[in-house]
Amino acid sequence: DAGVIQSPRHEVTEMGQEVTLRCKPISGHNSLFWYRQTMMRGLELLIYFNNNVPIDDSGMPEDRFSAKMPNASFSTLKIQPSEPRDSAVYFCASSLGTEETQYFGPGTRLLVL
Amino acid sequence: EDQVTQSPEALRLQEGESSSLNCSYTVSGLRGLFWYRQDPGKGPEFLFTLYSAGEEKEKERLKATLTKKESFLHITAPKPEDSATYLCAVRHEGGSNYKLTFGKGTLLTVNP
Repeated sequence: DAGVIQSPRHEVTEMGQEVTLRCKPISGHNSLFWYRQTMMRGLELLIYFNNNVPIDDSGMPEDRFSAKMPNASFSTLKIQPSEPRDSAVYFCASSLGTEETQYFGPGTRLLVL
Repeated sequence: EDQVTQSPEALRLQEGESSSLNCSYTVSGLRGLFWYRQDPGKGPEFLFTLYSAGEEKEKERLKATLTKKESFLHITAPKPEDSATYLCAVRHEGGSNYKLTFGKGTLLTVNP
C-alpha cells in the first residue's frame, strides 16, 4: 500500500519566491498534519486538518505560511514570500483518526537562498 | 523548558554491543509515548506506542519500556542497519488530543 506521498522531494528557491509543497495522505485517513524539522527546533507541528477542515494552525510561523486541504486526498502548504529562515525539511503525516498513530511522508527538503 | 528530552544526543556502538536510549518527559497526564525511527533523508517511521507505566513492547532487536517519568529504548545486539535517529514523542492531557511533542532525537551509529 502506498504511504504518504509528498512532492517535490527537494526544492531550491530564491528569497521572495512562492513555494508550494504537496501532500497526498494515506487513503482512508481523515487526519492530516504538516510538520517542519530543523536541527535547532526538531519536529514542530505547523497545522492539523481533520476531515479536510483546519483545526489548529497555531504552529504556522506567520502569515507568509498558508495551508489548504481541498479534498480528502490532497493538501498543500504554501510559503509566500519565502525567506532563508524557512529552509528546513517539511513533513506531511496522516492518521486514521485524531488519536491514532501518525504516519509520515518522506518530506520535502526546502532551501531558500 | 523542554517537555521531552532525549539522551544521549548521539551514541556509537559496535555491532553486538547492547545499550539503551532514554526519553524523559515532564508532562502530566500522559496519553501515549511514541517511538519513531528516522533514516537520513526519510520521514520518521513508527515503531511503538506505550500508554502506561510498566508497559513494554518489542520488535526484533528493539524493546521499549515506560515508567512514570521516562521511556527506554533497549537495543539488543545491534546491527549496522539499526543505525538511525530515534525520536520519541508524547501526547498528554495538557495538550490537544492530536498533538505530539517530539524530542530532538538520539543519533545511533552501529559500527560493523
